[in-house]
Amino acid sequence: QLQLQESGPGLVKPSEALSLTCTVSGGSISSNSYYWGWIRQPPGKGLEWIGTIYYTGTSYYNPSLKSRVTMSVDTSKNQFSLRLTSVTAADTAVYYCARQNKITGVGPNWFGPWGQGTLVTVSS
Amino acid sequence: QSALTQPASVSGSPGQSITISCTGTSSDVGGYNYVSWYQQHPGKAPKLMIYDVSNRPSGVSNRFSGSKSGNTASLTISGLQAEDEADYYCSSYTSTKNSVFGGGTKLTVL
Repeated sequence: QLQLQESGPGLVKPSEALSLTCTVSGGSISSNSYYWGWIRQPPGKGLEWIGTIYYTGTSYYNPSLKSRVTMSVDTSKNQFSLRLTSVTAADTAVYYCARQNKITGVGPNWFGPWGQGTLVTVSS
Repeated sequence: QSALTQPASVSGSPGQSITISCTGTSSDVGGYNYVSWYQQHPGKAPKLMIYDVSNRPSGVSNRFSGSKSGNTASLTISGLQAEDEADYYCSSYTSTKNSVFGGGTKLTVL
């Protein structure tokens, strides 16, 4: 059974960079049937898609975050990562990683399964 | 890209049916049959309930169903149960190969 686990600092200072890693177990991140995504949820608010990456490195980012987001894949470790720069209090959220189904010839589709999420607080 | 539009809240009594709408544009919901729905209980990760507009993953109750007309997708839950009380989010593929979520709907079982 595929499982995803987010890891990284729970506290980041304003203006610094947030870095998270998602470790995939029970399946290969190099599968040509899936993409891998990051989603966040500020406390008490809704879900926001951050970005999606394929094992080849092809990536798609939310236009509202694109200037600050970089995603990467490490197939040797079966992990993918998120880096968000110049963070502010507005970036405080639970960050989820998830697998995304691939629509052949089209792109990334639905999310599932999801990791349990990790709370990142931006504060000095 | 703008978030998909969902009602903030809906409610129903046990045994009743409710429908949650999700309105987008021709660049997302209306342009593709790639709408998905997620259930989220407090403090938990979202769970996929419907994919590709109307398909249920293995293990999801057949009380959950999805449909789409034009730029609006809908999630219907029939035979409401107390355990269905949760937040529900829709999501869609977009013309720029991005993903977009709705603002979420809080379902209250009276």
